Amino acid sequence: NAGVTQTPKFQVLKTGQSMTLQCAQDMNHNSMYWYRQDPGMGLRLIYYSASEGTTDKGEVPNGYNVSRLNKREFSLRLESAAPSQTSVYFCASSEEGSYGYTFGSGTRLTVV
Amino acid sequence: GIQVEQSPPDLILQEGANSTLRCNFSDSVNNLQWFHQNPWGQLINLFYIPSGTKQNGRLSATTVATERYSLLYISSSQTTDSGVYFCAVRTSYDKVIFGPGTSLSVIP
Repeated sequence: NAGVTQTPKFQVLKTGQSMTLQCAQDMNHNSMYWYRQDPGMGLRLIYYSASEGTTDKGEVPNGYNVSRLNKREFSLRLESAAPSQTSVYFCASSEEGSYGYTFGSGTRLTVV
Repeated sequence: GIQVEQSPPDLILQEGANSTLRCNFSDSVNNLQWFHQNPWGQLINLFYIPSGTKQNGRLSATTVATERYSLLYISSSQTTDSGVYFCAVRTSYDKVIFGPGTSLSVIP
């Protein structure tokens, strides 16, 4: 099925470990996004990419890096995980100005 | 940056009741969307509505961009409507900012 695929779905890290969350979309969308969702705080934008080769900071970029390697893929990297990064992470894509903002199924990350 | 507020934060409805959810935003936006997050965490587009009124079955939405608010109407609510409803606004820099959500519980 067409859509946004995120991997992994669940992950437990120790403080200081690094990892990369993967996101791929097959809808030929230009824009891709990474959000985190914490209880009672809605979704907060970490980074976004308006097109292949460009990335920009969102509301809460500290502690994260991103790579938009090609039009399909947008990865999120935690270089040195901290307990404050325990959250559910969502990737999304859209065509600029269009109806239809598609989310992946999320990655539940716990940092201990 | 732009601020997005939603009210009420929580809502409990008897099945069959109607409700109105509100989204206020602090600055001009390029568009506005409503999403539903079901109890399993899945986020689903409901409406893309930068202005005017749209309807889809029992749901409808109205955005008054000049007054910086949007309303989501749910009629004849069903238990499957439970979850969290988010509005999200797109700024001129293609950022999409979410409100804090309204948590809806529909009880039989």
